[in-house]
Amino acid sequence: GAVVSQHPSWVICKSGTSVKIECRSLDFQATTMFWYRQFPKQSLMLMATSNEGSKATYEQGVEKDKFLINHASLTLSTLTVTSAHPEDSSFYICSAHTTGRNTEAFFGQGTRLTVV
Amino acid sequence: AQTVTQSQPEMSVQEAETVTLSCTYDTSESDYYLFWYKQPPSRQMILVIRQEAYKQQNATENRFSVNFQKAAKSFSLKISDSQLGDAAMYFCAYRRTMYSGGGADGLTFGKGTHLIIQP
Repeated sequence: GAVVSQHPSWVICKSGTSVKIECRSLDFQATTMFWYRQFPKQSLMLMATSNEGSKATYEQGVEKDKFLINHASLTLSTLTVTSAHPEDSSFYICSAHTTGRNTEAFFGQGTRLTVV
Repeated sequence: AQTVTQSQPEMSVQEAETVTLSCTYDTSESDYYLFWYKQPPSRQMILVIRQEAYKQQNATENRFSVNFQKAAKSFSLKISDSQLGDAAMYFCAYRRTMYSGGGADGLTFGKGTHLIIQP
């Protein structure tokens, strides 16, 4: 099946710094990718929709200036957590969908972010 | 807005037995997808099974099958012959079809059910 690669798998950063997470679709083109956040023992919450060549669409309550999304190509979307704070510590997961009637979502391996 | 409800935070089943995980959802759409995803301790999301709302026939994938009741907005997952490797978090998820309003939508997930397999 299709593969989505997410990097890094874990990162520790200091408060106030920025962290970039990459999401790549390895064997298909994805005009749309999605970013989710998962707190410990909780569900995945959709943060934003990343659109190739245009601005991302953010869910209600998600700060677009805190979570910068860039989708510069059909195979790469990046999420940058700016001026990170300990409350931004979480598990971030991206996904990309194949197109057509039998569309399917493929997920990256996730990134565990710890802000100290 | 659509919502997905999983009312069982945790379920336990003996190895080789059958277990059913419940899921209900709410939507005003007539055409959509429903999914069950498995998330093992590695936290990689793995698709277990998918159901398209316009199909009346319940989806099956080997030991996994669903009971899709569109009118009741219910979508339960049955795991037969449970195996130790089935132990994981299971998430029910909903997604509008791309044809409903153009473009792809993200998934709406339930809160998950932690499945424990007793050897």
